[in-house]
Amino acid sequence: QSALTQPASVSGSPGQSITISCTGTSSDVGRFHYVSWYQQHPGKAPKLIIFDVNDRPSGVSNRFSGSKSGNAASLTISGLQPEDEADYYCQSFTISATLVFGGGTKLTVL
Amino acid sequence: EVQLVESGGGLVQPGGSLRLSCSASGFNLTSYWMHWVRQAPGKGLVWVSRINTDGATTNYADSVKGRFTISRDIAKNTLYLQMNSLGAEDTAVYYCARQLALVTTAQGYWGQGTLVTVSS
Repeated sequence: QSALTQPASVSGSPGQSITISCTGTSSDVGRFHYVSWYQQHPGKAPKLIIFDVNDRPSGVSNRFSGSKSGNAASLTISGLQPEDEADYYCQSFTISATLVFGGGTKLTVL
Repeated sequence: EVQLVESGGGLVQPGGSLRLSCSASGFNLTSYWMHWVRQAPGKGLVWVSRINTDGATTNYADSVKGRFTISRDIAKNTLYLQMNSLGAEDTAVYYCARQLALVTTAQGYWGQGTLVTVSS
């Protein structure tokens, strides 16, 4: 159950778009459509922003979008806003019927 | 409104045990998979365990398998995590979370977390 691989940090200016990658294996990301993304602000509980690769829960801005190709998934945030500054985590279902998170990516809005 | 309230965290000595509770309201535990996720201070999220709608299926991360047990009390609509043989590596904020829906594995609702500190 090795953690999925994410970049430690990314940054962008307000209004720009950024993409966060999430690399797994053929036993998790590559095998299942169950990739989720979570946003976490300091001291707060995580918030689900993308599920099943590219679906958004009710109330989540359409500036957030997800995709997957092979063993890698991506989260794109368009039209960056200051309140997007947070930590982002990907998660995947695995062949062992468990779940695994990525190491997390800190997004800085310059 | 869905609400999840964790309790039971605190300071415990290495090798000790602790039981966390997660009181659920606004829905029935018999209708959704439930999860525990933890986060060590300053570190990332780590999935710990889940239990299915009828309580018959449970899954665990390798790091806790054999030491932690997830369960629930339907009458109290409460989820539990029994933690045994605790070590310093188990120090973390523990979140309970409800799956968004039956047809996905994503956790759509989260509690505020309860802090477990393992130290002598």
